[in-house]
Amino acid sequence: ILNVEQSPQSLHVQEGDSTNFTCSFPSSNFYALHWYRWETAKSPEALFVMTLNGDEKKKGRISATLNTKEGYSYLYIKGSQPEDSATYLCAFLGGANNLFFGTGTRLTVIP
Amino acid sequence: ETGVTQSPTHLIKTRGQQVTLRCSSQSGHNTVSWYQQALGQGPQFIFQYYREEENGRGNFPPRFSGLQFPNYSSELNVNALELDDSALYLCASSLEGASGGLAKNIQYFGAGTRLSVL
Repeated sequence: ILNVEQSPQSLHVQEGDSTNFTCSFPSSNFYALHWYRWETAKSPEALFVMTLNGDEKKKGRISATLNTKEGYSYLYIKGSQPEDSATYLCAFLGGANNLFFGTGTRLTVIP
Repeated sequence: ETGVTQSPTHLIKTRGQQVTLRCSSQSGHNTVSWYQQALGQGPQFIFQYYREEENGRGNFPPRFSGLQFPNYSSELNVNALELDDSALYLCASSLEGASGGLAKNIQYFGAGTRLSVL
């Protein structure tokens, strides 16, 4: 079983603040890194699938970077809004047909 | 919405019983993966079906089994339910290539079935 760690476990930010969180994963046998956003009572929604070291992806106010050599990815949210409140999950694909998920970062944006 | 639907949304069973959970894939998708999310954990991969064949399995015992149908919908069956099987069960569909390899492509998740085993 591979170890995928996310930090922090939870955080609260004020509306308008920018924030970021971390996903750590094994630096060997890397195939892909997924980020999902999961709002309560809804389906997890894919944000990014990243495959190349140094990749940076952006979707609106949300962006992500990837460092496969050291085994980490950062997710950034610029100017947080209440609708950004959700759990953000990362998942590591290490060559087998098996995505390993972290336990998520629960973000609460306070209006 | 992702177009992936799961049924039922909630289910209560007793220890030792059997359960079947269902998943309808997004149109055009040929691959379904099932995940178990226990309280406080991230989703854990159970298995994947590609074109009606099992194509990868996580660390789950044989009493967890599945099927994929010609229309690419899928079932997850769990026999001899145990208390620890209480969890949210998620399915995700994707369109994978000829190798059937998972998940360089986006996974489209359903909202899950919450199973309680008493």
